[in-house]
Amino acid sequence: DAGVTQSPTHLIKTRGQQVTLRCSPKSGHDTVSWYQQALGQGPQFIFQYYEEEERQRGNFPDRFSGHQFPNYSSELNVNALLLGDSALYLCASSFRPGTGLGSTEAFFGQGTRLTVV
Amino acid sequence: QKEVEQDPGPLSVPEGAIVSLNCTYSNSAFQYFMWYRQYSRKGPELLMYTYSSGNKEDGRFTAQVDKSSKYISLFIRDSQPSDSATYLCAMTLDNYGQNFVFGPGTRLSVLP
Repeated sequence: DAGVTQSPTHLIKTRGQQVTLRCSPKSGHDTVSWYQQALGQGPQFIFQYYEEEERQRGNFPDRFSGHQFPNYSSELNVNALLLGDSALYLCASSFRPGTGLGSTEAFFGQGTRLTVV
Repeated sequence: QKEVEQDPGPLSVPEGAIVSLNCTYSNSAFQYFMWYRQYSRKGPELLMYTYSSGNKEDGRFTAQVDKSSKYISLFIRDSQPSDSATYLCAMTLDNYGQNFVFGPGTRLSVLP
């Protein structure tokens, strides 16, 4: 049973560029959330997608956007990269809220390490 | 004041010791509490998940939640070198989302 998979594992971008990160949820899960983890800090919630729509959003600017596809996989896009966007970007998957199947039991992928230079 | 605070560590213990990891939080509306383990350069791995106050045990791990004190703990018995990792507490308001609020993590080293 495949867990949460993320690609790429590492990425180096230049300030001002745009980046797209990808996530495939754990088999059976239909909800994907994205987190940013700066070095030495806990993850911070960016947003959550289910039924192909953004459902909740954390305190991140509009430069951060996302998408969910019909197969439940998801993309995180960051425009106009800043040095401060350098971090580990984590994808977490779960069951959709309200199903009673445990939407708070989230499973994380290995993350994508983004370095902005 | 940060919403979730955690003993920063790092914490070093000998193999076989009992480890206590703690978090305090400020929002009394949090209902669901989780502990994650994160090895270096890996994603967080769910260890324990509890709802409201009380204790939950799973093998060598025990999670405690005291909502009246806004304090949660994770105890590790008979600690092993393989337990060396960063431990993250996380919490959320309800079962209708995944807006987890994480603590900054405590780095634990278990020495053989």
